[in-house]
Amino acid sequence: GAVVSQHPSWVICKSGTSVKIECRSLDFQATTMFWYRQFPKQSLMLMATSNEGSKATYEQGVEKDKFLINHASLTLSTLTVTSAHPEDSSFYICSARDQGQASYEQYFGPGTRLTVT
Amino acid sequence: LAKTTQPISMDSYEGQEVNITCSHNNIATNDYITWYQQFPSQGPRFIIQGYKTKVTNEVASLFIPADRKSSTLSLPRVSLSDTAVYYCLPGTGSQGNLIFGKGTKLSVKP
Repeated sequence: GAVVSQHPSWVICKSGTSVKIECRSLDFQATTMFWYRQFPKQSLMLMATSNEGSKATYEQGVEKDKFLINHASLTLSTLTVTSAHPEDSSFYICSARDQGQASYEQYFGPGTRLTVT
Repeated sequence: LAKTTQPISMDSYEGQEVNITCSHNNIATNDYITWYQQFPSQGPRFIIQGYKTKVTNEVASLFIPADRKSSTLSLPRVSLSDTAVYYCLPGTGSQGNLIFGKGTKLSVKP
């Protein structure tokens, strides 16, 4: 089946620094990838939609200058949390749709646990 | 996008059949219904998808009545490893994204 990977799986950084999270579709091409954030005991919240070769679309309330998204190829999207603060500590999950498939199935990465100290 | 209502939590014992019902009264005509499973600190995993009547795969069955205003995920003979949160998702957002509700936390006990 289709596999999506994320790197790193967990990261600890100091307040004020930037962190980059990578999302890769390993065996399929994805024109569109999605970035979600999940706080403890809560559901997944969509942050932004990442489109290959164009600007990302951010959900209301998500700061585009703080959460930089780059989708430079059909298999890689990156999320950079700039000037991270403790309130950015969360579980970040990406997903992708196989553009070669007609189904609505999305494949999720294993997630990245970000802790800002 | 249809709003969903699921039980917040359910308890079961190993070997039992578990049915989780989700209501989605305002589901659109073209929307498929998809269920995902999520373990702690992991990304969600696709379980099953259907449009109407019954769909079965190696993991679960999905029952959808004719009016499609609800759907029931059936897990046969659950084990401890089925303890997870289960999300019902009718359709997708305008970007093709998934809109997650609160889900149902299933706890399977020995």
